[in-house]
Amino acid sequence: EAGVTQFPSHSVIEKGQTVTLRCDPISGHDNLYWYRRVMGKEIKFLLHFVKESKQDESGMPNNRFLAERTGGTYSTLKVQPAELEDSGVYFCASSQVHGGEQYFGPGTRLTVT
Amino acid sequence: KNEVEQSPQNLTAQEGEFITINCSYSVGISALHWLQQHPGGGIVSLFMLSSGKKKHGRLIATINIQEKHSSLHITASHPRDSAVYICAVKGGGGGSNYKLTFGKGTLLTVNP
Repeated sequence: EAGVTQFPSHSVIEKGQTVTLRCDPISGHDNLYWYRRVMGKEIKFLLHFVKESKQDESGMPNNRFLAERTGGTYSTLKVQPAELEDSGVYFCASSQVHGGEQYFGPGTRLTVT
Repeated sequence: KNEVEQSPQNLTAQEGEFITINCSYSVGISALHWLQQHPGGGIVSLFMLSSGKKKHGRLIATINIQEKHSSLHITASHPRDSAVYICAVKGGGGGSNYKLTFGKGTLLTVNP
C-alpha cells in the first residue's frame, strides 16, 4: 500500500508568487495533518483535517495560507502571496483514527527568493 | 523555552558505539514519538510509546512518565544511522490529543 505522498518535492518561487502544495494521504485515513519546519526551528503543527472538515487550524501562520481537502481525499495548501519567511519544509501526515499513529510524507521543500 | 527539549543537538560517534539521545518535555502527554529523518528524506516513525520500553532491532526507546523523560538508544551504531532524530509528544487529552509538539531534533553522524 502506498504511503503518504507529497507534490512537488521542491518548489522555488519568487516573493509575491503563489504556490500550491499537495498531499495524498494513505487511502482510508480520515485524518490529515500539515506541519512546517523552517530553518533552525522545530517542526510546527499547521492544521488538522478530519475528512473534508478543518478540525483545528490554530497553527496556520496567517491568512496567506489556505488549506483545502475537497472530497476528503487529497489536500492542498496554498500560499498566496508567498513571503521570504514562508521558506521551509512542509510535511503532511495522515492517521486512520483520531489520535492514532501518524504516517508522514516526504515533505515539500519550499524556497521563496 | 520549547515544550520539548532534546539533547544533544549534535552528536558524532564512531561506528560501533552506543548512542543515547534524550528528550524531556514539560506538558502532560498521551504518547511520545521518536522519528528519523535522513538528509533530504522524509520522516519515518521509529517508535510511539506511552510507557516502559520498546525495542526494534538495534534501536531501543524508553520513557519515564513521572520524570517526563524519554531516551532513544542505538546499539552498535552504523554510518547508515546518520540522520536527524526527532522527539515529538502527543497532547494529554481532549480534542488536542492528535496534535504533535516537536523537539528541534538531534543530528547524529556516525563515522566509519
